[in-house]
Amino acid sequence: AQSVTQPDIHITVSEGASLELRCNYSYGATPYLFWYVQSPGQGLQLLLKYFSGDTLVQGIKGFEAEFKRSQSSFNLRKPSVHWSDAAEYFCAVNTGGFKTIFGAGTRLFVKA
Amino acid sequence: EAGVVQSPRYKIIEKKQPVAFWCNPISGHNTLYWYLQNLGQGPELLIRYENEEAVDDSQLPKDRFSAERLKGVDSTLKIQPAELGDSAVYLCASSLGDRDSGELFFGEGSRLTVL
Repeated sequence: AQSVTQPDIHITVSEGASLELRCNYSYGATPYLFWYVQSPGQGLQLLLKYFSGDTLVQGIKGFEAEFKRSQSSFNLRKPSVHWSDAAEYFCAVNTGGFKTIFGAGTRLFVKA
Repeated sequence: EAGVVQSPRYKIIEKKQPVAFWCNPISGHNTLYWYLQNLGQGPELLIRYENEEAVDDSQLPKDRFSAERLKGVDSTLKIQPAELGDSAVYLCASSLGDRDSGELFFGEGSRLTVL
């Protein structure tokens, strides 16, 4: 069965420091890959997505993610974190047929 | 363009009481989803509609949950009777239905507390 693993339940970084959130998936082929962000009390907002082509994708708010087929990973990165980036981040895969599976999420804390 | 609208944002009820959540998707979005989000977890699909047809309700607990999407636009999710374990956030999402896109647009959610 398809699955998405986000190994880090929470991460704390200092403002201005770099960030990497990990995501691994289990699927026989290359799925569509997504990162969503959820601020407290809000719905999920799409940060970026990968369908095919260039394995490094750019998203909103200065985020990027890199697809690595050999590692079944789709890690999210940001070179310099802002306090407003504190939120919950969800990795998701779509294996076709409108079936999107979400990871459990990683909560990001930003310290001044 | 208006986003996905959900109401109520918060609902507190006693167990065994009924509750209903309403969702208005983005105009033109044929596909509508209801997701359940437990605390500290990612969303889990309850039901998916293509227009007014429920095409995937395999994860919907049909003994107490029901949903409808009359006229293929707004949707209502109902729980009757509610149990303590139903306390969660109920998210509505919509999409164009284009298989090549896959992007989901979420509402702000309805947070249910069952006492």
